[in-house]
Amino acid sequence: AQSVTQLGSHVSVSEGALVLLRCNYSSSVPPYLFWYVQYPNQGLQLLLKYTSAATLVKGINGFEAEFKKSETSFHLTKPSAHMSDAAEYFCAVKNFGNEKLTFGTGTRLTIIP
Amino acid sequence: DGGITQSPKYLFRKEGQNVTLSCEQNLNHDAMYWYRQDPGQGLRLIYYSQIVNDFQKGDIAEGYSVSREKKESFPLTVTSAQKNPTAFYLCASSPLLAGGEQYFGPGTRLTVT
Repeated sequence: AQSVTQLGSHVSVSEGALVLLRCNYSSSVPPYLFWYVQYPNQGLQLLLKYTSAATLVKGINGFEAEFKKSETSFHLTKPSAHMSDAAEYFCAVKNFGNEKLTFGTGTRLTIIP
Repeated sequence: DGGITQSPKYLFRKEGQNVTLSCEQNLNHDAMYWYRQDPGQGLRLIYYSQIVNDFQKGDIAEGYSVSREKKESFPLTVTSAQKNPTAFYLCASSPLLAGGEQYFGPGTRLTVT
């Protein structure tokens, strides 16, 4: 069964600093991977997705993620944090032929002014 | 504008009452999903449907029921058998494409007292 682990339920960074949110997956075959963002009391919005094309994926709001098969990781990064990045971030995995997404437990990002 | 609507945004019910949450999409997606979100637990799949008049249980289906009579609608009923119904409920839809992402509605916050 596929699973997703997000290391760190809470991450705090200073405004302008690098954002790094960690995601590791377990899957028997290379999966599809997604990062979503959720602002308080709202639904989830797709940031980016990996679907076996380029291993470095660029998304919205300056975020990007790199698929590393050898490390089974799909970490999310942004070079310079902005106050508006404060939100909860979810990593999710889906295997080919399976329409269900498996979500990590989320990482709450706080930006320090 | 294409998207997913959920109504109402906030819902209050007395214990022992059934309650139905609405989800409508105009994205022409075949698949629809219901998730429950609790603090620190990420998203857990309740039910999903890939075609009209057919649906499958997710990981936490007990105490819930759904119907899919129309492609664009996937209502969720929280029954009195659900032991802890207070939560944030999210509806999503997706095309049946390999690597297709899920699109989320704004959510319904249900409080049962």
